[in-house]
Formats: sequence, C-alpha cells, structure tokens
Amino acid sequence: DTGVSQDPRHKITKRGQNVTFRCDPISEHNRLYWYRQTLGQGPEFLTYFQNEAQLEKSRLLSDRFSAERPKGSFSTLEIQRTEQGDSAMYLCASSPLEGLRTDTQYFGPGTRLTVL
Amino acid sequence: DQQVKQNSPSLSVQEGRISILNCDYTNSMFDYFLWYKKYPAEGPTFLISISSIKDKNEDGRFTVFLNKSAKHLSLHIVPSQPGDSAVYFCAASARTDKLIFGTGTRLQVFP
Repeated sequence: DTGVSQDPRHKITKRGQNVTFRCDPISEHNRLYWYRQTLGQGPEFLTYFQNEAQLEKSRLLSDRFSAERPKGSFSTLEIQRTEQGDSAMYLCASSPLEGLRTDTQYFGPGTRLTVL
Repeated sequence: DQQVKQNSPSLSVQEGRISILNCDYTNSMFDYFLWYKKYPAEGPTFLISISSIKDKNEDGRFTVFLNKSAKHLSLHIVPSQPGDSAVYFCAASARTDKLIFGTGTRLQVFP
C-alpha cells in the first residue's frame, strides 16, 4: 500500500500565475478530499469527490479554484491568478466508501504553496 | 464559528508519564471523531477514532474517550515517549463526512 501521494511537495510562484497540484489517492478509495492548512490553524475543507463526481465545495473555494477527478482516480487542484493569501499547505486525503458511510480519511504529505 | 476547539495550544509532559489532550465540539450532529498527529512539513497521520455510539476506544498506548453529554473528547497517551512530540489535531464529522478540525495542540515529551 503506497499511501496518498501529492506532487509537487513545494511550489513557489509569483502573484498572478496559475498553479496546478496533483493528488494520487490510495488505490480503491472512492472518496478524495482537498483541504487547506494555514499557519496555526487546522486543515480546512475545500472540496471532495466520490469517484469522478464533485459532491461538495466549500465557500472557501473561490472562482479562481477548480478541482477535477476525471477518471475517478487521481485529482488535480488548480489555482488561477494566485494571490499572496493563497499561500498555504494544500492537503489531499482519501477514504473508502463502506456502505452508506465513509471511514477514516488518510492524508498525503501535502503541497506547500508560497506566493510571492 | 469554531465547531471543534482545542483550547490548549501546547502541552509539555515528561517521558513515561501520561499525556492528556482535550477537545470540545459544539455541533450535536457530529457522530465520528478522530485524532491525527502531524509533524512539520508532513500531512496529518491518523491515530485513532471513535464513533458516537461508543464512549471509549483503545489502541495500544492511545485511548480516546468521548463524553457526548459534555461534547468533549480526550486522547490519552500512556506512557508518553519522545517520538510522540508533534502537533495533535482533533477532528469531527457529521453525515456529510467532511472533517472539521480543531486548531491543534503541540505536545512536547521531554526526557
């Protein structure tokens, strides 16, 4: 079991540039989640997918953010026209779908974004 | 509105003693609670969870207690080891399944 992987681990960009992050969940996990963590805070929910369907988006996810999971496997999170306030750790998690209730979410190592 | 609160930002414990980390929640719809451990520059690592139908769950040195009437849960680590030094996050979920996290407690275990 290889766990959840994320790429890149670190990204430094200039304000106004677009960035894209990738997440590969644990194989056979139906659900995939994106969270964002800033200094001194716990992770905050952004969005999640069940297979390829995006089921919920947080109000934190502005129009500049878009996430996809085209084949129900890996997912990408894109931020357009980055702002300094986007600087954070972006975390991906996956969980299996058991019956009508999902179980524990397992997190990847995160992508640290710094917007200059 | 902070639905999950960890009111102690830090805790210092001697090696071999018990560490007790606390968490309070406000949303009575939460029915699943988890503790994660996080090292700097890494993602959270799952430690232990508890369903609202239980009041205790134990896994090795880690025990989680849930008091539904008080909307309070705690994580006990005994005996504490230096490798336990990290930030611990309490998280809760309702039937929507997204996790709501507290702000974390930094645990330091000293020799």
